[in-house]
Amino acid sequence: NAGVTQTPKFQVLKTGQSMTLQCAQDMNHNSMYWYRQDPGMGLRLIYYSASEGTTDKGEVPNGYNVSRLNKREFSLRLESAAPSQTSVYFCASREAPSIPAALFTDTQYFGPGTRLTVL
Amino acid sequence: TQLLEQSPQFLSIQEGENLTVYCNSSSVFSSLQWYRQEPGEGPVLLVTVVTGGEVKKLKRLTFQFGDARKDSSLHITAAQPGDTGLYLCAGGSMRFGAGTRLTVKP
Repeated sequence: NAGVTQTPKFQVLKTGQSMTLQCAQDMNHNSMYWYRQDPGMGLRLIYYSASEGTTDKGEVPNGYNVSRLNKREFSLRLESAAPSQTSVYFCASREAPSIPAALFTDTQYFGPGTRLTVL
Repeated sequence: TQLLEQSPQFLSIQEGENLTVYCNSSSVFSSLQWYRQEPGEGPVLLVTVVTGGEVKKLKRLTFQFGDARKDSSLHITAAQPGDTGLYLCAGGSMRFGAGTRLTVKP
């Protein structure tokens, strides 16, 4: 099993350009997540998908859109990149059993990250 | 908003020393997780604590969840260079602390 894979690993954009970050998991997990990580700020949740067909905003959704293409894939799109979006982006997935109380106690698996620079 | 504050932000110690890092909040969490992240990689889950006062051990790592479920600590005994990394706590709706960056020198 590859676990959680992300492409690309590195990307440089100019302000105003658009791009899509791809994420796929082969663990048959229900829930998938996109985070950004900035120095001194930890990981911040951008968007998540609790199950196939649903997406919800996280802590910092502005400037981003997501698509849960199928159970395996969850993409993050920047329509008009800004320097403030320079960051390392992580995708994650978890099995997320249906019992709500257990939703955040199971293991979350992270991808290797995409380092994005917006000039 | 549930905020998680981690301390210290940076910690540099010699191999063989003991250390404790902290994760504190003013809010109550139903569960709290600790992750370790190495450079260029994503975080990896170390432990989940659920019950107030709970203590879990993972080899030389001891995790404790506060009685009021507002804070947690991670204690490492006889630290090794392989323990070097960024230690993150997370709780609630996947809200993460900023992390403690640990360096263990040989």
